[in-house]
Amino acid sequence: DQQVKQNSPSLSVQEGRISILNCDYTNSMFDYFLWYKKYPAEGPTFLISISSIKDKNEDGRFTVFLNKSAKHLSLHIVPSQPGDSAVYFCAASEGGSEKLVFGKGTKLTVNP
Amino acid sequence: GAGVSQSPSNKVTEKGKDVELRCDPISGHTALYWYRQSLGQGLEFLIYFQGNSAPDKSGLPSDRFSAERTGGSVSTLTIQRTQQEDSAVYLCASSFFMVTDTQYFGPGTRLTVL
Repeated sequence: DQQVKQNSPSLSVQEGRISILNCDYTNSMFDYFLWYKKYPAEGPTFLISISSIKDKNEDGRFTVFLNKSAKHLSLHIVPSQPGDSAVYFCAASEGGSEKLVFGKGTKLTVNP
Repeated sequence: GAGVSQSPSNKVTEKGKDVELRCDPISGHTALYWYRQSLGQGLEFLIYFQGNSAPDKSGLPSDRFSAERTGGSVSTLTIQRTQQEDSAVYLCASSFFMVTDTQYFGPGTRLTVL
């Protein structure tokens, strides 16, 4: 039973345009959400996070939106750059738990 | 400072053999996590260490898997009697204290069981 779902295995966008990566979750007890980026042969690196008390968090070109009623979050990258090409993982945790539950990832390709 | 390091980077073993995977966390980080990423899957939580507390082993898939953390620093993940389904990338992460602190990942150990 997958609690965190990234339904798009891949996404391709043009440089300079917006990239939107989506993530759905089923566990209503999740209250902390993160996005990680992973390049081949490297470990994931933290990108941005959001607490359930907020609906938006922004860091430079990266913005995460949280819709609790829909159990949906999205990562917007504006403008997209070729260096953003990587696999993006959505992750969530439940209050009081130290475990992160990850989605399967979405491979983003930004074309020059 | 140095990031999280893991060794070996690649390990090929025969079915039935035991393997040990090592993780050196970032100095000063009290929390240490092990994850597994099988082909086409997301990261799967295995075990969590926090300071001197008893580890959270709830993610270990079977009793063939065990882990220890010596002196609150280096950790070893041991898989006994390896099976082909154990083939995956094993990732270690450390953080300063808790889950809302950023987890820093190592590059992983790719385990292949023939």
